[in-house]
Amino acid sequence: TQLLEQSPQFLSIQEGENLTVYCNSSSVFSSLQWYRQEPGEGPVLLVTVVTGGEVKKLKRLTFQFGDARKDSSLHITAAQPGDTGLYLCAGVGTGFQKLVFGTGTRLLVSP
Amino acid sequence: EAGVAQSPRYKIIEKRQSVAFWCNPISGHATLYWYQQILGQGPKLLIQFQNNGVVDDSQLPKDRFSAERLKGVDSTLKIQPAKLEDSAVYLCASSTRLAKGNEQFFGPGTRLTVL
Repeated sequence: TQLLEQSPQFLSIQEGENLTVYCNSSSVFSSLQWYRQEPGEGPVLLVTVVTGGEVKKLKRLTFQFGDARKDSSLHITAAQPGDTGLYLCAGVGTGFQKLVFGTGTRLLVSP
Repeated sequence: EAGVAQSPRYKIIEKRQSVAFWCNPISGHATLYWYQQILGQGPKLLIQFQNNGVVDDSQLPKDRFSAERLKGVDSTLKIQPAKLEDSAVYLCASSTRLAKGNEQFFGPGTRLTVL
């Protein structure tokens, strides 16, 4: 069974602070995705990383895929209240287009 | 382009009752997924359809859960009888093989409360 553990589970910070969310597994994934989910809504894809060691930037968000394609991180610079939400990593595992979701990190950014 | 539609948005039932959820995926998306998301956790895949065929239902509690996608378009997920631990948000998602990196598009979910 492929599992993805995220840390921390919950993060409460002030506007302007930086933060990093980690996503770890003992399994290798062909690619890894990060989603953000807001209350009452479904998850929305932020980014897909495919190559080991790959780094992608999306405005103030930086995503990195581990060299061995077993782990990933999400770094947010100068967090804003609009970044509040549940952040989910998801690995593309074996099988037909199957995603394995991580345990989630709930982020609260206060003004 | 319309997104994934789900109904109802909320449902409250008593244990041992039955309930059904409906999902209409994005037009043209051949793959449809049902997920269960316990509060504060990541979604867990229950069943995956490719057109009207089941690709993966390994985590579906088949003694009480059933799902169908008869015409390869919309889908229903049923729970009968419901248990307290079934309280969760049930998410439907769809994707196309043409989507980059297997992007899945999610509906808003149905929040089920079992009393």
